[in-house]
Amino acid sequence: AQSVSQHNHHVILSEAASLELGCNYSYGGTVNLFWYVQYPGQHLQLLLKYFSGDPLVKGIKGFEAEFIKSKFSFNLRKPSVQWSDTAEYFCAVRGPMFSGGYNKLIFGAGTRLAVHP
Amino acid sequence: DTAVSQTPKYLVTQMGNDKSIKCEQNLGHDTMYWYKQDSKKFLKIMFSYNNKELIINETVPNRFSPKSPDKAHLNLHINSLELGDSAVYFCASSQDRGVAFFGQGTRLTVV
Repeated sequence: AQSVSQHNHHVILSEAASLELGCNYSYGGTVNLFWYVQYPGQHLQLLLKYFSGDPLVKGIKGFEAEFIKSKFSFNLRKPSVQWSDTAEYFCAVRGPMFSGGYNKLIFGAGTRLAVHP
Repeated sequence: DTAVSQTPKYLVTQMGNDKSIKCEQNLGHDTMYWYKQDSKKFLKIMFSYNNKELIINETVPNRFSPKSPDKAHLNLHINSLELGDSAVYFCASSQDRGVAFFGQGTRLTVV
C-alpha cells in the first residue's frame, strides 16, 4: 500500500532548540518529495521540495531536508527553532508509480510542533 | 492576488442538505485537486482533474461530485450531507510536475 510515515506526531521544543522531523515513504523508484507547513488556521504552504540533484535541499525560514534514497527518508531539520515555527508539518510524496501518477500527492499524517518561548 | 481561492471559507449546514464549494486558480495551472482534512489533520486526496478531465477519484462516496467547467475552476458539490462530512476541504492546483499550491480551505460543519 502507498504510505508516507511521519514518526513524530507531536513535538514540543523550547526556542533555540534544534529540530528534526522524520519522514519515510514506502516506494522505490523516482519520487518527488515535499514538506509543507500549516500555521494555525491557515492553508498549507510549501517549505521545500526535492525533485533531483543535491539531496540536501534548503527551503524557506531556515529549514532544510535531506533525501536519503537508501533509507527512503526525507527528514526535515532546522538548527534553531522560533516560537513562530509553531505549526503542523506535513511530508508529501509524488511519483509515477502511484495510480494517477504525478497527479497524486500523498501526505503523511503530519507532525504538530509546539515551540515554547 | 490570491492564487487559489475557495468560497465559502466557512459552511455550516444541516444533515441531508446539498451544498457546493467553489475553487478558482489564477496560476494558469492545468491540474486541480480536492483534499479533505479531518479533525486529526490527516490530508487525503479526493479528486484530481487535469485539463477538465477527471484523473483521480479516491473511493469517495458518489454524494461528492466535482465539476470542472474550465481548467481554472474545480467545484465540489455534496449531496445529502452527513455528520462525517464535517472537515476542512482544500482545493489545490499544480502545473505538470510542479509544486501544488493550496487554497485557504473551507471548514464544513454538518449539524
